[in-house]
Amino acid sequence: DSGVTQTPKHLITATGQRVTLRCSPRSGDLSVYWYQQSLDQGLQFLIQYYNGEERAKGNILERFSAQQFPDLHSELNLSSLELGDSALYFCASSTTTSGGARDTQYFGPGTRLTVL
Amino acid sequence: AQSVTQPDIHITVSEGASLELRCNYSYGATPYLFWYVQSPGQGLQLLLKYFSGDTLVQGIKGFEAEFKRSQSSFNLRKPSVHWSDAAEYFCAVGAPYGQNFVFGPGTRLSVLP
Repeated sequence: DSGVTQTPKHLITATGQRVTLRCSPRSGDLSVYWYQQSLDQGLQFLIQYYNGEERAKGNILERFSAQQFPDLHSELNLSSLELGDSALYFCASSTTTSGGARDTQYFGPGTRLTVL
Repeated sequence: AQSVTQPDIHITVSEGASLELRCNYSYGATPYLFWYVQSPGQGLQLLLKYFSGDTLVQGIKGFEAEFKRSQSSFNLRKPSVHWSDAAEYFCAVGAPYGQNFVFGPGTRLSVLP
């Protein structure tokens, strides 16, 4: 158990819909990262937040957005969903005092999104 | 930009046999290198990491990896595989001043009894 929690575990929805995925980081971790894992794209970094502010952006679509709240939990919002958005979405957290890849990231169990 | 290749999509070994999973990276300087393991239905767990110093890195669960700058490689090894090691293994590279990782495509390990 990494200490990172994600809800829900599974989500099934239809094309065109909007969903919100939630992540609670490990106690004391200030950084949250979101990743998408799909069969065709592999594991891709989407976005990172540090203490409420966006720190880095990866291959995140404009239809996707995220935020980190004052209590440090984060939400990933996916809108106008398409079949290709079906994937496993991971959240990770790290302490990140100085930032950068040196910080060990601890991954949650993921949310499996199925778009029908 | 950094990139990672893992040449082997799927490897099968017998329990008790040795294991080596290959990882090659592309980066202009010395990167930060990581190996993660993903068991079925689970998130990723860090096995080991390399930042600098000794090129042979010890990790959890009896794994080790060796950084070879001349070959741009960071191969993962284990002398004797256990059935519980069956999982997907990901190599990742991070730029020292970057904020995120680039993951390889993964190698699926199957272990025969």
